[in-house]
Amino acid sequence: DTGVSQNPRHKITKRGQNVTFRCDPISEHNRLYWYRQTLGQGPEFLTYFQNEAQLEKSRLLSDRFSAERPKGSFSTLEIQRTEQGDSAMYLCASSLNFGSETQYFGPGTRLLVL
Amino acid sequence: DAKTTQPTSMDCAEGRAANLPCNHSTISGNEYVYWYRQIHSQGPQYIIHGLKNNETNEMASLIITEDRKSSTLILPHATLRDTAVYYCIVRGQIIQGAQKLVFGQGTRLTINP
Repeated sequence: DTGVSQNPRHKITKRGQNVTFRCDPISEHNRLYWYRQTLGQGPEFLTYFQNEAQLEKSRLLSDRFSAERPKGSFSTLEIQRTEQGDSAMYLCASSLNFGSETQYFGPGTRLLVL
Repeated sequence: DAKTTQPTSMDCAEGRAANLPCNHSTISGNEYVYWYRQIHSQGPQYIIHGLKNNETNEMASLIITEDRKSSTLILPHATLRDTAVYYCIVRGQIIQGAQKLVFGQGTRLTINP
């Protein structure tokens, strides 16, 4: 399967713990996006990378959130001191810097903070 | 990016064509119309996109009106597996940097046996 992959698929944690999610984009896609989706809502943009550079961050991305893409390939999203309001599906998408730049999404990581 | 308006929900019989409308009356000339769908608990799946002309691929057809203020996604022979939330998104061309996708509430399409 050469699509976007995300790990883990599910994560249950206690409030106050740190969690880290990983996204592997489609090979050779140089743009990578993180979105968050809460129950009953459409996905909301969090942040975007072009290669290893983080070029845009949403105001939704509080100081407790940090994202990296150190070698311009996979990316990690870390949430520190998790809160119950962080419970959501975290989605990753990637695109190629060419043509219409269609974004392709991964299966998501579902986070539950108890 | 222009805002889109979609019906909250629709039903369609299995085997029939499902026609999902989308209004985007404030769309500008360089903005694309994108359609994604999201089956329960999965990531959004890209379906199709277009700028001015009608488009067709193996999944669906996209009909864009001449004034570009509305469009219709057509699933020609709907199956039970097409039950999902369908999102119509307007997105500008990439000029500088990347364009995030702005999702609305979408249309919840239910295919009935």
